[in-house]
Amino acid sequence: GNSVTQMEGPVTLSEEAFLTINCTYTATGYPSLFWYVQYPGEGLQLLLKATKADDKGSNKGFEATYRKETTSFHLEKGSVQVSDSAVYFCALRTGGSYIPTFGRGTSLIVHP
Amino acid sequence: EAQVTQNPRYLITVTGKKLTVTCSQNMNHEYMSWYRQDPGLGLRQIYYSMNVEVTDKGDVPEGYKVSRKEKRNFPLILESPSPNQTSLYFCASSGTSGRGSSYEQYFGPGTRLTVT
Repeated sequence: GNSVTQMEGPVTLSEEAFLTINCTYTATGYPSLFWYVQYPGEGLQLLLKATKADDKGSNKGFEATYRKETTSFHLEKGSVQVSDSAVYFCALRTGGSYIPTFGRGTSLIVHP
Repeated sequence: EAQVTQNPRYLITVTGKKLTVTCSQNMNHEYMSWYRQDPGLGLRQIYYSMNVEVTDKGDVPEGYKVSRKEKRNFPLILESPSPNQTSLYFCASSGTSGRGSSYEQYFGPGTRLTVT
């Protein structure tokens, strides 16, 4: 079956530091990959996505590249802000299915 | 505005008292689902629905019921709540019509339930 593995948190950084949150996956077929973000007190919202190998998703200064050879979709940001403090979920979906598979989430805490 | 709404946002109840959490989406999505989120356990799917009158169990369905009589609504029913159902609940939708052409999920704001 499908699975998503994320690095455990919390990840604690100072403002303007470089961020990487690792995500690897196991899937049958060729999945679409997603990063969702959950700000405190809110539901999850889509941050970025990539639907085929070597695609790069980007949004709000965050980037992730779909690496089929390493089955990875690591989230990166060059300079984090306090407002980026949230929980980040990696997810995948295969074929024509609506049903996603989520990782457990990684909490990011950014200090001024 | 395209959105998923849930009500109530906060609920405190007692063991055994039946409750319903409503979920509604205005994006004409086929797929809707319910998750619970607990510390250290991530998101766990309770039930999902592929379309009207089509529902199926997720990973943790025990103690919950759902119905899908209309495309836009997907209520979560706890017939006899117990303290281990204290959690944060999210409704989500996805589809190929309206918004969401690549099946990304749209989440509601969450319902924090406490069962004493």
